[in-house]
Amino acid sequence: NAGVTQTPKFQVLKTGQSMTLQCAQDMNHNSMYWYRQDPGMGLRLIYYSASEGTTDKGEVPNGYNVSRLNKREFSLRLESAAPSQTSVYFCASTSGGNNEQFFGPGTRLTVL
Amino acid sequence: SQKIEQNSEALNIQEGKTATLTCNYTNYSPAYLQWYRQDPGRGPVFLLLIRENEKEKRKERLKVTFDTTLKQSLFHITASQPADSATYLCASRDAGNMLTFGGGTRLMVKP
Repeated sequence: NAGVTQTPKFQVLKTGQSMTLQCAQDMNHNSMYWYRQDPGMGLRLIYYSASEGTTDKGEVPNGYNVSRLNKREFSLRLESAAPSQTSVYFCASTSGGNNEQFFGPGTRLTVL
Repeated sequence: SQKIEQNSEALNIQEGKTATLTCNYTNYSPAYLQWYRQDPGRGPVFLLLIRENEKEKRKERLKVTFDTTLKQSLFHITASQPADSATYLCASRDAGNMLTFGGGTRLMVKP
C-alpha cells in the first residue's frame, strides 16, 4: 500500500497563477483533509471531506477550493495564487473512529 | 475554539535521558489527545492517543499522560536516542471530530 500520495512535491507559482494539488489514498478511508503548515503556526485545516460527495470548510478556507473526485482522491485548487499562500500543504485521511490521521509527504509551494 | 500550546523552543537532551514534552489546551477538555512525530521534509506520523478518562498510556519507550485539572498532556521518551530527534506535535479532537494541532516542539537528542 502506498498510503497517502501527493503531487507535485514542489511548485513555484507567480502571483495570480492557478494550480491544483492532487491527493490520493489507497486505504479505503472515508474522510480526507487538506492542511497547510507554516513555521510556528502548526497545521491548520483548510478543507475536509467527511465522505465521498461532501466537503466542508476548515479554519482557513479563503482562496482555496476542493473537489472530492471519488473515495480515493481529494484535490485542492488555488484559483489565483497569492504570496500569503506560500506554505507546505499536507493531505491526510482517516477511517474515522479514533481519528488517527495518515499524512502524505507534502507539497512545498512558493508563490512569488 | 480550542487552542493547543506547545513549547516552541527546541528541547536538547543527552542520549539515554528521558525527554518530556508538554502540551497545554486552553478551553474544553477534549475527548482525546493525539501525539504525532514529524521528521524534516515529511508528513506527521501518528504515535499515540490518550482518552480523557485515561491517566496514562504507554507504547514501548513512549509514555503519555493526560491531566484534565491542569489541562495538560505530557509526552515522555525514556532512554532517548539520537534517532528520536524530530518535531513532536500534539493534537486535540475538536468539534465535528476535527483535530486542532499545536505548533510542535523540536527534540534534539545528542550522542
